[in-house]
Amino acid sequence: NAGVMQNPRHLVRRRGQEARLRCSPMKGHSHVYWYRQLPEEGLKFMVYLQKENIIDESGMPKERFSAEFPKEGPSILRIQQVVRGDSAAYFCASSPAAGGAYNEQFFGPGTRLTVL
Amino acid sequence: SQQGEEDPQALSIQEGENATMNCSYKTSINNLQWYRQNSGRGLVHLILIRSNEREKHSGRLRVTLDTSKKSSSLLITASRAADTASYFCATDSLRGNTGKLIFGQGTTLQVKP
Repeated sequence: NAGVMQNPRHLVRRRGQEARLRCSPMKGHSHVYWYRQLPEEGLKFMVYLQKENIIDESGMPKERFSAEFPKEGPSILRIQQVVRGDSAAYFCASSPAAGGAYNEQFFGPGTRLTVL
Repeated sequence: SQQGEEDPQALSIQEGENATMNCSYKTSINNLQWYRQNSGRGLVHLILIRSNEREKHSGRLRVTLDTSKKSSSLLITASRAADTASYFCATDSLRGNTGKLIFGQGTTLQVKP
C-alpha cells in the first residue's frame, strides 16, 4: 500500500508564474488536508477536502490560492501569480475519516516551492 | 496564539540518554498526535493518544496526556543518533471539528554519538 504521494518534490517558479502541486492520498483514504510549513516553523493548516468538495478552507489565503479534489485524479493545490513569500514546503496528508478520536493523518514527503 | 506549543525549543543530549519533550494546547481535543520530521523531509507519524487515554507506549516512545492541564509529553528512551530530528505535537479540536490538525512550533532534538 503506497503512502501519500506528492509531486513534484521540488518546484522553482519565478514571481508571477503559477504553481501546481499534486497530492495522491493513500489507497482507501477520501480525506485530504494541505498544510504549509515556512522555514523553521511548524505546519499551518490550509484546506481540507473530500472528493469534489471543499470542507474547510479557513487556512487558505483569500487570493491566489485554490484547491480541488476531483472525482478522479489527485488533489491539486494551485497558487497563481506566486510571490517570494509563497516559498515554503507544502505538505499533503490523508486520512480514512475526518475528525473523531481516530483521525490519524498520514503525510506525504512534501513539495518544496522556491519562488525566485 | 498557538494551539500546540512545545518546549524546549531545542534539546541536545548524548546517545543513550532519555529525551523528554512537552506540548501544551488550549482547547478541548479529540486526540493528540506526535510526529517526527528529519531535516528537509516529510513528517513521520509516531503515535496518537486519544483524549480518554493517559499514557501510551510504542517501542522506545512513551507519551502521556493530561487533559486537565492540557499538556502532553513525549519521552524517547535510550536515544540514538538516528533520533536526531524535529518533533511536533498536533491536536485536532473537539469544537467544530473538521479533523484539521494544529501543530506546535516543534522541538529540535540533537542526539550526539
